[in-house]
Amino acid sequence: NAGVTQTPKFQVLKTGQSMTLQCAQDMNHEYMSWYRQDPGMGLRLIHYSVGAGITDQGEVPNGYNVSRSTTEDFPLRLLSAAPSQTSVYFCASSYSQRNTGELFFGEGSRLTVL
Amino acid sequence: GNSVTQMEGPVTLSEEAFLTINCTYTATGYPSLFWYVQYPGEGLQLLLKATKADDKGSNKGFEATYRKETTSFHLEKGSVQVSDSAVYFCALSDKASGTYKYIFGTGTRLKVLA
Repeated sequence: NAGVTQTPKFQVLKTGQSMTLQCAQDMNHEYMSWYRQDPGMGLRLIHYSVGAGITDQGEVPNGYNVSRSTTEDFPLRLLSAAPSQTSVYFCASSYSQRNTGELFFGEGSRLTVL
Repeated sequence: GNSVTQMEGPVTLSEEAFLTINCTYTATGYPSLFWYVQYPGEGLQLLLKATKADDKGSNKGFEATYRKETTSFHLEKGSVQVSDSAVYFCALSDKASGTYKYIFGTGTRLKVLA
């Protein structure tokens, strides 16, 4: 199984540009989420979804949009990139958010905003 | 609110040394506790978990015991190998408002020298 697949792995943007980070999972997981990883700050939750058509904000949602039209896909959109959004982004999924399930992570997407 | 505090790194050890990485948590409910490991260039993967007080999680020679009285979940390994070099994250999952949200510590980098 492919597990959780993120694209692209690397991206450089200029301030004000927009882009979408793609995330797909083939494990039929209900729960999907996006984190950003910054030095000294661990992982911080951006947005999450507990099923198709349902999304909610995490700890640091400003500047990011998400949608969940299918169970498999959970794209993260940056509408107007800012240097503060330079980070490594991880998509993670879990079978169900109703139990203490393991999170499965993608390999990450490193974004640099100039 | 809920939080996870883990010791700052980096931790540098010689091969076959004993490892302890401290983790303490604050939670209003009864969280599940996790250790995730991130190898260079990869996403996080679950190392071990414990879902209730006094549970011991173990995997690949690593162990951690859920201590409710001291709100701790310290990671230990009796004899580390060079291949254990990675970043280790302590995390909790606690039910809040009907969904489980994960909270991660800042990560501890371990470097094992041959």
